[in-house]
Amino acid sequence: AQSVDQPDAHVTLSEGASLELRCSYSYSAAPYLFWYVQYPGQSLQFLLKYITGDTVVKGTKGFEAEFRKSNSSFNLKKSPAHWSDSAKYFCALEGGASSSFSKLVFGQGTSLSVVP
Amino acid sequence: GGIITQTPKFLIGQEGQKLTLKCQQNFNHDTMYWYRQDSGKGLRLIYYSITENDLQKGDLSEGYDASREKKSSFSLTVTSAQKNEMAVFLCASSILGGDTQYFGPGTRLLVL
Repeated sequence: AQSVDQPDAHVTLSEGASLELRCSYSYSAAPYLFWYVQYPGQSLQFLLKYITGDTVVKGTKGFEAEFRKSNSSFNLKKSPAHWSDSAKYFCALEGGASSSFSKLVFGQGTSLSVVP
Repeated sequence: GGIITQTPKFLIGQEGQKLTLKCQQNFNHDTMYWYRQDSGKGLRLIYYSITENDLQKGDLSEGYDASREKKSSFSLTVTSAQKNEMAVFLCASSILGGDTQYFGPGTRLLVL
């Protein structure tokens, strides 16, 4: 079975600090991993994805994420953080090439507040 | 680029009522999805349609029906609304076999 865990429901940090949102997954084969962002009152927007290859992937808005197979993690990073990064962030997993048809499994989400 | 439109934006229903939510996309994507988002939880897949004539149940299909009227549109019906139910329903689409999904703005449901 596939699952995604985002252990931090809420994260608050100061503008200019470095942010790192945690995501761990459980899947028996090679996963595809995603981060989506949901700004207040808006729908989900795609940020970045890891399919294969380079374990550090860069996305939109200055975000990047690192895939670590050794501890089944895909943490989202950005430095420095800006107040406009305040939003809810979702990590998601898809079964990858080993699946006949893939669908996204989402984590619970992390609400990020960046304060001045 | 393209856009996903969901109607209505807000839906208030009565207990036991049948309610229909609509989704239209102009990406020309083959695959469409319906998710439910509850406060404090992640998204859960209700139904999806891989191609125009396909319909598949997701993890949360009980209490819902879906219909893929044509390639660009995908409807979701709440068969019997539950009292005090409150959630956001998100429609998404992707290319066939594609991994990146694009989401609509959502329909907010409140059942009195």
